[in-house]
This record gives sequence, structure tokens and C-alpha cells, in this order.
Amino acid sequence: QSALTQSASVSGSPGQSITISCTGASSDVGGYQYVSWYQQHPGKAPKLIIFDVNSRPSGVPDRFSGSIYGNTASLTISGLQAEDEADYYCSSYRTISTLGVVFGGGTKLTVL
Amino acid sequence: ELQLVQSGVEVKKPGESLKISCKGSGFSFTTYWIGWVRQMPGKGLEWMGTIYPGDSDTRYSASFEGQVTISADKSISTAYLHWSSLKASDSAMYYCARSLAAAMVPFDSWGQGTLVTVSS
Repeated sequence: QSALTQSASVSGSPGQSITISCTGASSDVGGYQYVSWYQQHPGKAPKLIIFDVNSRPSGVPDRFSGSIYGNTASLTISGLQAEDEADYYCSSYRTISTLGVVFGGGTKLTVL
Repeated sequence: ELQLVQSGVEVKKPGESLKISCKGSGFSFTTYWIGWVRQMPGKGLEWMGTIYPGDSDTRYSASFEGQVTISADKSISTAYLHWSSLKASDSAMYYCARSLAAAMVPFDSWGQGTLVTVSS
């Protein structure tokens, strides 16, 4: 089963904004409001930072925001900080083949 | 405090069986879905499957169906991931994670991971 498509890497300087995209299909990203985003630092478990396209769990700074257009979801991080350097994964509910979950391939964010 | 605590590092030989565990605490284990996610060395996250301990309803990714078995014992708030015959390609970090929605996402809390190494 194919993963959602993310760019391999993105970079930005402290204080800048970056956007990570996640492209799927109408059977996942485009068909349901169930896109979530995870941050993973090296050697650590993933952490939920956005759910249901644009909602933030308690404790996640409002510098992190999500949006969707068609079959592509996006994660925007504004006011980049050094600690934002991590891998970011999108995820969606999917209804093709088997009902379940699909992840994106991940995007490595480098803070310059 | 909400926690998912996974069993420890495993080193096994090809062909051996293995069952790793994920114990939940601080929440109602039977009203959440518990998913398993594989991360091979240097690679991304892959959803393997998810179980609803309340009634043992289990969904598998097509990529993993028949390769692993997911189960749960709600009496001890523990979910399991089982292999009957390991392969070297099963070497990876395995995470359990919980989700509330019937859509099985998002995963709002994760275990610390169990590292599995399969080598002769």
C-alpha cells in the first residue's frame, strides 16, 4: 500500500515559517477530516501535534497549524525555533483496500 | 497519569516466535483503539494494525495481515503484537499508540517503543 506523499526535507531559519505538504487521494486525505501530524525527534517516540486537519492537542504551541485543500494537507510552522528540528509525518484514515491508517513518508525539518 | 508502557528490547533468531506487549494505564483501556506502528532503521512510520480491546475488533494493514497477530487482554489492559516465525526483515522499532475515534486516528499517546533485532 502506498504511503502519503511528503517532500523528503525542508529547511528554514529561526523565526521564519515553513510549510510541509502531504498529498493523498479522495480515499484518504481528501475524503475525510482525519488528517493528523506527528513530530519525531531522533531516538524518541512520535508526538501528536495536529489532529482532525487543524486542531492542536493541549500543550502544542499555536505556531503549529494545519490546513487542507483537495487531496493535499499542509502543516505550517511559524516562528521556527531550534527545537522544531525533527522529522514530521502526516497520517490519515484510509478507505481503500482495507479500512485503516496510512502515514506519509516523513519530512526532515532542518533549522539553519 | 496516562501511559503506554511497552516491553523491553528483544534479540531473536530467524524462525523464532515473539510476542511484545503494550500496557495501558491512566485511562479506560477498553474504550480506546490500540494501534501498532513499525519503524525500520532510518525509515518512516508504517501502520500495522489496530485493535479495540473492548470487543477485540482488529483491523490489519494489507501489508501486515497474515504476517503478525494483534491481540489484547482487557483484564490487564495490555495489547500484544505476535510473530510466529521472525525474519531478519522484522528488525525494527515497534510502537503502540492509542486512538479514541472509530477512524483509528489520531494516535494521541504513544508507547516508548520496543526494539526488535532478528539476526542469526
